[in-house]
Amino acid sequence: AQSVTQLGSHVSVSEGALVLLRCNYSSSVPPYLFWYVQYPNQGLQLLLKYTTGATLVKGINGFEAEFKKSETSFHLTKPSAHMSDAAEYFCAVRTGTNAGKSTFGDGTTLTVKP
Amino acid sequence: ETGVTQSPTHLIKTRGQQVTLRCSSQSGHNTVSWYQQALGQGPQFIFQYYREEENGRGNFPPRFSGLQFPNYSSELNVNALELDDSALYLCASSLALEITNYGYTFGSGTRLTVV
Repeated sequence: AQSVTQLGSHVSVSEGALVLLRCNYSSSVPPYLFWYVQYPNQGLQLLLKYTTGATLVKGINGFEAEFKKSETSFHLTKPSAHMSDAAEYFCAVRTGTNAGKSTFGDGTTLTVKP
Repeated sequence: ETGVTQSPTHLIKTRGQQVTLRCSSQSGHNTVSWYQQALGQGPQFIFQYYREEENGRGNFPPRFSGLQFPNYSSELNVNALELDDSALYLCASSLALEITNYGYTFGSGTRLTVV
């Protein structure tokens, strides 16, 4: 079984401040981990992914995430928030390649204050 | 390359009715998954189709069914609609061999309201 917990359903930062969105996962086998962003009335857009190899992964729009197996975490960060980063962010885990089943967290809404 | 398109964008149905939602996969993609996203929650996996066969299903009752066509477009059918079926339904496509390396490409979804 696999599960995802996103700590903090709402995160608010000032423009230019560090963004940190937390994600912890549970998986009985090595996981594939993803971060998606969802803007209002839109589908999900892939920000970045971890499958194997380098544990620090870089994604689009200046975001990056680090896979820490010992902490079962995959936190998303961005050094400097921009107003356009305001959206909902979802962490997802998938185990194996058989089915396309991804388990998503409940999401974190990021607000960026001017 | 075209993205994933879903139709209709919004839909209102009455409890007990049946509904069909449609998805056109991104060009070249032969795998499609459907997700249900209730308000304030993350997407929940319904099922996946690969080359017209269902090859994975989440915890949804049999009244949720699907089809994938030779051109890789797909449908989600829900019978005997219940109020709790009100949600955003997302379709996501991928090239099967790429699943481990890329996430899915998601459509913008169909907002279903059951009254």
